[in-house]
Amino acid sequence: SQQGEEDPQALSIQEGENATMNCSYKTSINNLQWYRQNSGRGLVHLILIRSNEREKHSGRLRVTLDTSKKSSSLLITASRAADTASYFCATVSGGGADGLTFGKGTHLIIQP
Amino acid sequence: DAGVIQSPRHEVTEMGQEVTLRCKPISGHDYLFWYRQTMMRGLELLIYFNNNVPIDDSGMPEDRFSAKMPNASFSTLKIQPSEPRDSAVYFCASSLRLTGVEGSPLHFGNGTRLTVT
Repeated sequence: SQQGEEDPQALSIQEGENATMNCSYKTSINNLQWYRQNSGRGLVHLILIRSNEREKHSGRLRVTLDTSKKSSSLLITASRAADTASYFCATVSGGGADGLTFGKGTHLIIQP
Repeated sequence: DAGVIQSPRHEVTEMGQEVTLRCKPISGHDYLFWYRQTMMRGLELLIYFNNNVPIDDSGMPEDRFSAKMPNASFSTLKIQPSEPRDSAVYFCASSLRLTGVEGSPLHFGNGTRLTVT
């Protein structure tokens, strides 16, 4: 089963606008990671937030984490055409295994 | 660093044939993961290795799938016999340390797109 579920499934905005994607997960976590996937390519790690952190910034990216609600959000500010991609949140599911479980992603389209 | 290297990039085969996908992880990374991506099911973890030893293969769909890591710089995922429902993009990823506990990010290859006709 999916540990992380992104919302919305698809998002289309104008260049320069901010894009917000949300992620919900089911079990307790040590950290939550966000990845980007461009068409035809592998996933690229963007940012990691630990369970004891509430907010983290990296360039134009801002991630928040609410462990009480088991949710996270990724904000991309001042979007650019190059930000067009699919974005995934990922956590390690319970049971001691270490492999990341990914949601189905949010497909973001930046209109020029 | 060349990153994670997968080959081939595309593979088209007929049902019943054996398929072997290859992966070279980033040098020095202790963990190697195989994922499968489809539109219907998203990204699924198939198996992962730590220091060349398979740790969790609970995601391997059937006995037709097998994975090996004979040394720290090479891994294979084999499907024998292949079926049309195996058509997907298969990704290999590596990480320096534990990702869930230590937060070591996964580095992905660009995948192998497998089509079984």
